Amino acid sequence: QKEVEQNSGPLSVPEGAIASLNCTYSDRGSQSFFWYRQYSGKSPELIMFIYSNGDKEDGRFTAQLNKASQYVSLLIRDSQPSDSATYLCAVNIPHSGAGSYQLTFGKGTKLSVIP
Amino acid sequence: DGGITQSPKYLFRKEGQNVTLSCEQNLNHDAMYWYRQDPGQGLRLIYYSQIVNDFQKGDIAEGYSVSREKKESFPLTVTSAQKNPTAFYLCASSIVPGNTEAFFGQGTRLTVV
Repeated sequence: QKEVEQNSGPLSVPEGAIASLNCTYSDRGSQSFFWYRQYSGKSPELIMFIYSNGDKEDGRFTAQLNKASQYVSLLIRDSQPSDSATYLCAVNIPHSGAGSYQLTFGKGTKLSVIP
Repeated sequence: DGGITQSPKYLFRKEGQNVTLSCEQNLNHDAMYWYRQDPGQGLRLIYYSQIVNDFQKGDIAEGYSVSREKKESFPLTVTSAQKNPTAFYLCASSIVPGNTEAFFGQGTRLTVV
């Protein structure tokens, strides 16, 4: 079964610290990887996407991808209470049919940033 | 403003009734998706469509049906065959299917009474 795995948390960090969120995926054919943030009762919003091995930085957020280890992570520097939310990892996994991909989500990690 | 519009925001349905959730996008995106989210759970894919007049089943398609007659619209029908339909339903779209990011509508919360 093609899966995306995340620690459910909750992950608690003090304000100003670095929050580290991790995700593993099962299908080596996956080519694109996304991090979404979801506040309670709201729809997910895209934070970052990454396609190539290595790091990608955007403001306080850094996405890291290691395709050999089938691992993708999100670092949040200088964490703020407003970062408290559930973070969803999503992976485009090859589906039946040529060129067909299924955007598959992990169950999410709940992050709490303590003032 | 470009975006994805889901309606209604809240929906109540009696057991045994079919109900249709609306999803419209004006982003000119080719791909559209329907997900279901239960409390404390991630998103599970119901159906997705990569092009008009074509759609594929996701992981939990039983009890649901869709159509894609127009590029802008991807309605989801929750049929009476769906055993536990109470959930938060999310529609998303992406420019092309596959390796581009998906954007979500605000969701429809369906409750069976």
